[in-house]
Amino acid sequence: EPEVTQTPSHQVTQMGQEVILRCVPISNHLYFYWYRQILGQKVEFLVSFYNNEISEKSEIFDDQFSVERPDGSNFTLKIRSTKLEDSAMYFCASKVSGTWETQYFGPGTRLLVL
Amino acid sequence: AQSVTQLDSHVSVSEGTPVLLRCNYSSSYSPSLFWYVQHPNKGLQLLLKYTSAATLVKGINGFEAEFKKSETSFHLTKPSAHMSDAAEYFCVVSDLNNQGGKLIFGQGTELSVKP
Repeated sequence: EPEVTQTPSHQVTQMGQEVILRCVPISNHLYFYWYRQILGQKVEFLVSFYNNEISEKSEIFDDQFSVERPDGSNFTLKIRSTKLEDSAMYFCASKVSGTWETQYFGPGTRLLVL
Repeated sequence: AQSVTQLDSHVSVSEGTPVLLRCNYSSSYSPSLFWYVQHPNKGLQLLLKYTSAATLVKGINGFEAEFKKSETSFHLTKPSAHMSDAAEYFCVVSDLNNQGGKLIFGQGTELSVKP
């Protein structure tokens, strides 16, 4: 069964460094998402991406964040200058299309900013 | 604005007894509702979803949920708990009028199953 994959599974970085989190969505999916879950808190929407552009973003998704689909398979989340409060589990999700379809989630990348 | 409230942060049951995880939602539009499960160190797996068809929705692993518009509830149930059901459960809402389809998560309910 196809699944969303994410790399790395864990990343430790120093405050102020740039990180890139990678996701490979399911191959025929057209909508892509990033969510995050700070330890002990709820899962929060960051951004949705469709047709090579951001379709919606949350207040969390400020200028320090960017997303890209550099080729036909990868979907990346870049944090330009990490802060301590960026430490969280980051989930990628994708869906085929349309309002009724299910979002399928990857296993997550646990980011720790020191 | 949409929101989801999971009424219990932690539920503990004995193996073989029924499970009830409570969820209330708030939505200005026609909601699509989901339950996702997260086992330790695993991703989020869809258990079931409601998208305005039958109000009683059956999911994987014997779980089901009933959409009650009058009560704005979407509680998750299972007749008989199994040890493998121990996990974190999230009630989730999505706005059907939002083509982008972002999901709004509840705080989660941790289910413990005692032998």
